[in-house]
Amino acid sequence: DARVTQTPRHKVTEMGQEVTMRCQPILGHNTVFWYRQTMMQGLELLAYFRNRAPLDDSGMPKDRFSAEMPDATLATLKIQPSEPRDSAVYFCASAKRGQGMYNEQFFGPGTRLTVL
Amino acid sequence: ELKVEQNPLFLSMQEGKNYTIYCNYSTTSDRLYWYRQDPGKSLESLFVLLSNGAVKQEGRLMASLDTKARLSTLHITAAVHDLSATYFCAVDHDGPGAGSYQLTFGKGTKLSVIP
Repeated sequence: DARVTQTPRHKVTEMGQEVTMRCQPILGHNTVFWYRQTMMQGLELLAYFRNRAPLDDSGMPKDRFSAEMPDATLATLKIQPSEPRDSAVYFCASAKRGQGMYNEQFFGPGTRLTVL
Repeated sequence: ELKVEQNPLFLSMQEGKNYTIYCNYSTTSDRLYWYRQDPGKSLESLFVLLSNGAVKQEGRLMASLDTKARLSTLHITAAVHDLSATYFCAVDHDGPGAGSYQLTFGKGTKLSVIP
């Protein structure tokens, strides 16, 4: 049963600490997305990669957030330093995108981040 | 800036009733998706609509797409409690980078089906 996995599932940290979230996309999927979900803003696209190359990170606060894809099976989202306003659920999604293919995205279970 | 508007945002309905959720969007696109999210859970793909006039049905849910009107609908027939969830539409469109595509989501419709 192919699915996107994310770790950790829950993270509680103090303001100023570094937070790293990890995502393993579905095997064979070449596009990985990071989203943030809050009650106020809904689902926001933070960044995404295709074939491990960053395509867009305009939704991400550049000064504290960074996203990387060190290999095809791992994407990371890092916050340093974290702030209380970063508290949210962070979802990773993956898709198999190629010429003429559509963009159905499959979501991981999410990381629920609380910054105190 | 692309806008995806869902209405209603909150829907409380009795079991056995019918209702429609609307999704309007502001850009040209012939690819639209519907997702379901249960409380505290992830998003689950429900329907993929890839052309004007596309209609997909699964159980008591039916989704359609009118690209000329830039409108998709999710129709619920004879609602049951198990359908209680938040439903999102998402529009597939060009991203800022060359060859990039991304989804923009509506704010979601929280559906509560009351026995």
